[in-house]
Amino acid sequence: QQKVQQSPESLTVSEGAMASLNCTFSDGTSNNFRWYRQHSAKGLEVLVSIFSDGEKEEGRFTAHLNRANLHVSLHIREPQPSDSAVYLCAVSRRTGGLSGKLTFGEGTQVTVIS
Amino acid sequence: GALVYQYPRRTICKSGTSMRMECQAVGFQATSVAWYRQSPQKTFELIALSTVNSAIKYEQNFTQEKFPISHPNLSFSSMTVLNAYLEDRGLYLCGARGTGQLYFGEGSKLTVL
Repeated sequence: QQKVQQSPESLTVSEGAMASLNCTFSDGTSNNFRWYRQHSAKGLEVLVSIFSDGEKEEGRFTAHLNRANLHVSLHIREPQPSDSAVYLCAVSRRTGGLSGKLTFGEGTQVTVIS
Repeated sequence: GALVYQYPRRTICKSGTSMRMECQAVGFQATSVAWYRQSPQKTFELIALSTVNSAIKYEQNFTQEKFPISHPNLSFSSMTVLNAYLEDRGLYLCGARGTGQLYFGEGSKLTVL
């Protein structure tokens, strides 16, 4: 069974500094990785999706994937107070076009201070 | 663009009663719909995955008897929480996928008194 773990549990960063979040997964055949953001028990906002090793940038959000190390990270460039939220890593394995089950990490609470 | 709407956004129900929530896909055909629950202080757990022309697959700890799901067409799904108790409270999220990415609704928040 897939296990997805995130670290740190919480992170406080100053406005403008880089924020880095980590996510490890247990199933090496996973091929679908997403970072989501959740503000105050609301729905999910997708930030970046990545499917192959390397880097994927979407605006101020950059995901790095290293499947051999079972690791995917998210970096937030120039974070602002409005970026304060819970950040969730989600991992799945799609085969033949069929949707795989998304397994979520426990989340990292990010607080951006002015 | 592609959107997923969920209704109702919030519900308060008495312990032992049932609550039905709906999920509407707009701008794409939802060939698969996944229902998730986020209990207080926890992450999202998959309840069940419904794929058109396939049986609905429930995850361990979730049953059709407790969470019956309907996926009658490519734009709509509903799920009912039967006989809701305190442990059923949380945010229920619908994720719908066509041929591309997964889109989530805003969620239906269930409070049980």
